[in-house]
Amino acid sequence: NAGVTQTPKFQVLKTGQSMTLQCAQDMNHNSMYWYRQDPGMGLRLIYYSASEGTTDKGEVPNGYNVSRLNKREFSLRLESAAPSQTSVYFCASSDWGSTDTQYFGPGTRLTVL
Amino acid sequence: EDKVVQSPLSLVVHEGDTVTLNCSYEVTNFRSLLWYKQEKKAPTFLFMLTSSGIEKKSGRLSSILDKKELSSILNITATQTGDSAIYLCAVEAGTYKYIFGTGTRLKVLA
Repeated sequence: NAGVTQTPKFQVLKTGQSMTLQCAQDMNHNSMYWYRQDPGMGLRLIYYSASEGTTDKGEVPNGYNVSRLNKREFSLRLESAAPSQTSVYFCASSDWGSTDTQYFGPGTRLTVL
Repeated sequence: EDKVVQSPLSLVVHEGDTVTLNCSYEVTNFRSLLWYKQEKKAPTFLFMLTSSGIEKKSGRLSSILDKKELSSILNITATQTGDSAIYLCAVEAGTYKYIFGTGTRLKVLA
């Protein structure tokens, strides 16, 4: 059981470039989440998917798009990266929605120059 | 605006000490409070506290929710160097709405 996996672990982009962060979970969870973690800011929810086929905005969705490809996979896309998107990105999943424990992936450290 | 505040921001103790970490919150729709431990990478779940479960314990760690004071504490007794981490508090303030505090950085010296 790998739990929640994320790729890549590290990425450096130039302003304006695009990229997709991948997340997969093997726990058969219904809900998946994308967070960003910045120094002094705590974790902030970007987007979530309550169940396969649905996605919704979280606290800080601007500049991002998501795709719930299937029950296992939830990707985060930056269409035109900006330095303000330099952060550590965590994917998480939970079994039955927001009242359930979330399990986090190892994170992706993204730097936008 | 919903917010979660943790204190202290950082703490240095010696092995064997007992520590108490604090989390206070102001949210309009409280559902649960969660504690996580974050070492080098992903946060790992410690406890979830709700109105029906205001005290939890696991080994040397315990946590209490005070709904009257809108706060929670996380206690760690007989600390070990492996307890060194950032401890995060989060409040579920609505369906799929999680407000995280900035964390308390704990360092335990041998």
